[in-house]
Amino acid sequence: SQTIHQWPATLVQPVGSPLSLECTVEGTSNPNLYWYRQAAGRGLQLLFYSVGIGQISSEVPQNLSASRPQDRQFILSSKKLLLSDSGFYLCAWNLDSNTGELFFGEGSRLTVL
Amino acid sequence: DQQVKQNSPSLSVQEGRISILNCDYTNSMFDYFLWYKKYPAEGPTFLISISSIKDKNEDGRFTVFLNKSAKHLSLHIVPSQPGDSAVYFCAASAPGSNYKLTFGKGTLLTVNP
Repeated sequence: SQTIHQWPATLVQPVGSPLSLECTVEGTSNPNLYWYRQAAGRGLQLLFYSVGIGQISSEVPQNLSASRPQDRQFILSSKKLLLSDSGFYLCAWNLDSNTGELFFGEGSRLTVL
Repeated sequence: DQQVKQNSPSLSVQEGRISILNCDYTNSMFDYFLWYKKYPAEGPTFLISISSIKDKNEDGRFTVFLNKSAKHLSLHIVPSQPGDSAVYFCAASAPGSNYKLTFGKGTLLTVNP
């Protein structure tokens, strides 16, 4: 069966520090991968999605970036965090099917101080 | 511009009664709609979906209704149980969007025993 893992689960970082959140999917090949953010008082906002290795599409301009170095690995990064980057980050995946159903990871809670 | 709107941030219902969660959308290209349930500090989990070719889809205690002319969908939970207490997100996707979902802000449902 397919599983998705994110880490770290919780992160407290000072403003201006770098960020790296990692997501891996097991049990499937060539998934579509997504990074979403849930900020306080807001819904789930799509940040990046990837349909294959090295292919990244950005939905929202910001100081975050994403990379997909391997088929089932998706990394969210920042060189310098802002206070507004605080939120709950969710990695998700799906296959190229007709349902569009997403499978989410456990999430990573980032607090920027 | 918020394309998927959940205008009620919270809803409180007695156990055994019906819970009705509403969602409106503005993008007429959306053709697939999903509901996700999210507990605190966890990733959302898929609940139920509906294609635009249907106006109703039922799965156990959960029923989703779609009114395309009004660009409105609703999730009915009957009977409501305390374990249903969670944040419910409405989401939509459009053809050719690579299954990128646009989410609403969510509605916090509290089912009181």
